[in-house]
Amino acid sequence: QKEVEQNSGPLSVPEGAIASLNCTYSDRGSQSFFWYRQYSGKSPELIMSIYSNGDKEDGRFTAQLNKASQYVSLLIRDSQPSDSATYLCAVPYFGNEKLTFGTGTRLTIIP
Amino acid sequence: GAVVSQHPSRVICKSGTSVKIECRSLDFQATTMFWYRQFPKQSLMLMATSNEGSKATYEQGVEKDKFLINHASLTLSTLTVTSAHPEDSSFYICSARVINEQFFGPGTRLTVL
Repeated sequence: QKEVEQNSGPLSVPEGAIASLNCTYSDRGSQSFFWYRQYSGKSPELIMSIYSNGDKEDGRFTAQLNKASQYVSLLIRDSQPSDSATYLCAVPYFGNEKLTFGTGTRLTIIP
Repeated sequence: GAVVSQHPSRVICKSGTSVKIECRSLDFQATTMFWYRQFPKQSLMLMATSNEGSKATYEQGVEKDKFLINHASLTLSTLTVTSAHPEDSSFYICSARVINEQFFGPGTRLTVL
């Protein structure tokens, strides 16, 4: 069974610190990886996509991918209270357009 | 990113009635749209994949006769919850695929009394 696993948290991080969110996936054939942010009562919002090994930076967000270890992470620098949300890791399994979501990590930024 | 809209954002209905939810891609054409359901404090659950011009593909355990999906154009997919019951109360979210990425609509909160 294809799986995406995340630490459910909650994860509490002081304002201004780096928040680190982790995700592992089971299918070595996966080629693309996504991070979504979901505020309470709202729908998910795509914040990062990554396709190649290494780091991808977008503003305060950095996605890191290691296909050999089947691991993808999201770093949030200079964390702000507005970053408090649930972060979902999503992987479309090889040849399958459907996304498999992790259960999400609930992040709280403490002022 | 691409913009997906949903209507209505919130609906309250009586048990036994049917409710239609619209999902539109505003600035792009979407051959494939997805419908999800999310209960409080739970993860997203994919209900079905909607392909323009063909029948939807439902996930295991989702009743196709209860959740009718129509994808009549490249910018519109509809989900009709037929004979709704209180257990159908949930947050229904559509998404549309653009190349490799999926963008979500704002969701529809359904409450069945």
